[in-house]
Amino acid sequence: QVQLQESGPGLVKPSETLSLTCTVSGGSINSYYWSWIRQSPGKGLEWIGYIYYTESTNYNPSLKSRVTISIDTSKNQFSLKLRSVTAADTAVYYCAGQEFSSSSGEFDYWGQGTLVTVSS
Amino acid sequence: QSVLTQPPSASVTPGQRVTISCSGSSSNIGSNAVNWYQQFPGTAPKVLIYNNNQRPSGVPDRFSASKSGISASLAISGLQSEDEADYYCSTWDDNFTWVFGGGTKLTVL
Repeated sequence: QVQLQESGPGLVKPSETLSLTCTVSGGSINSYYWSWIRQSPGKGLEWIGYIYYTESTNYNPSLKSRVTISIDTSKNQFSLKLRSVTAADTAVYYCAGQEFSSSSGEFDYWGQGTLVTVSS
Repeated sequence: QSVLTQPPSASVTPGQRVTISCSGSSSNIGSNAVNWYQQFPGTAPKVLIYNNNQRPSGVPDRFSASKSGISASLAISGLQSEDEADYYCSTWDDNFTWVFGGGTKLTVL
């Protein structure tokens, strides 16, 4: 069973860079699309972007100018960097996985989520 | 403002049936499969329905879903108190992004 675990600072200052890492266990990192999804307090879900083990990426156009997702297959990890953050980036950040072979692309696997607060 | 439109809330008494709608456009629901997620407070979402109407193993058959044109719907019959949660629809948008509905908070009275 694939398990995901987010890690990273829970507090980031405005204008700085938010950095999170997701560690994958229980499955091959090569078989899934790996996404970051966030949820602002009391709000809905927002997809940030995904990466495949080939380092192919796709980002939400609304965040594309500030986002980089990378992958380290040797460590079974993928990471998120979100630059120039503001209070609007305060959210619970989830890492999630979709099986490459799935025709409907459902997010089968989720981390437990980590709250990142942007504040000075 | 979410790309997919859901009612923000629904209230139903135990044992009743509720339907949650999800409206999109030709670039998302109209051309791609819809997935539904269930989320309890403080926890990550979980797949409830995938590929428009398929239930993962372990999801009771009280949960069903359908899609027609640019809209989809989730139905829950025989409502139980444990079904009180937030429900989200999601699909791929042909503008190269995954999109979600704003979520529907289901209250079991």
